[in-house]
Amino acid sequence: DVKVTQSSRYLVKRTGEKVFLECVQDMDHENMFWYRQDPGLGLRLIYFSYDVKMKEKGDIPEGYSVSREKKERFSLILESASTNQTSMYLCASTPGTTSEPYFGPGTRLTVT
Amino acid sequence: ILNVEQSPQSLHVQEGDSTNFTCSFPSSNFYALHWYRWETAKSPEALFVMTLNGDEKKKGRISATLNTKEGYSYLYIKGSQPEDSATYLCAFMTGNQFYFGTGTSLTVIP
Repeated sequence: DVKVTQSSRYLVKRTGEKVFLECVQDMDHENMFWYRQDPGLGLRLIYFSYDVKMKEKGDIPEGYSVSREKKERFSLILESASTNQTSMYLCASTPGTTSEPYFGPGTRLTVT
Repeated sequence: ILNVEQSPQSLHVQEGDSTNFTCSFPSSNFYALHWYRWETAKSPEALFVMTLNGDEKKKGRISATLNTKEGYSYLYIKGSQPEDSATYLCAFMTGNQFYFGTGTSLTVIP
């Protein structure tokens, strides 16, 4: 079974803090994604990566950056957290560009 | 950004009722349509992948249909049970991109 894990289930941070969300997959998948989910808006793509050290902006990259130093790990970074980044963050991975995503359990981030 | 809409946004049904909800997506550049079930505190779980117009898929009491010409898919749950309570997400796939709907939150009341 594919396992996608996220470092925290719940996280509370203060405005202005630097926040790291970690995602690890154990199936040697090439592609990894970060989404956020907000009520009434569905899942929106923040960033994705097709290979180590490679990253591409998704639909809403502003205020975020990512890092992929190893194939199995994809980190989402909030350089200076703001209250409008309070959300559920989902990581996903796929073995190929046309394969369905496997999701992690999500991190619910609250920025106060 | 492509528009993928799901309706209704939320639904409350009694145990034993059958229910259905809709995913609407662009009818051009279609590659696949995915349905997921997302229970609280768990990872979204893949239910169906549908690729052909007219496709019908079934898994236990849950089934789905696909109409790519008009750009919609229906998800049906027969005889809803409390364990069916979850958010149901659809994802439209075009090229190598996924576009997710807003989800339908289903609550089954015992």
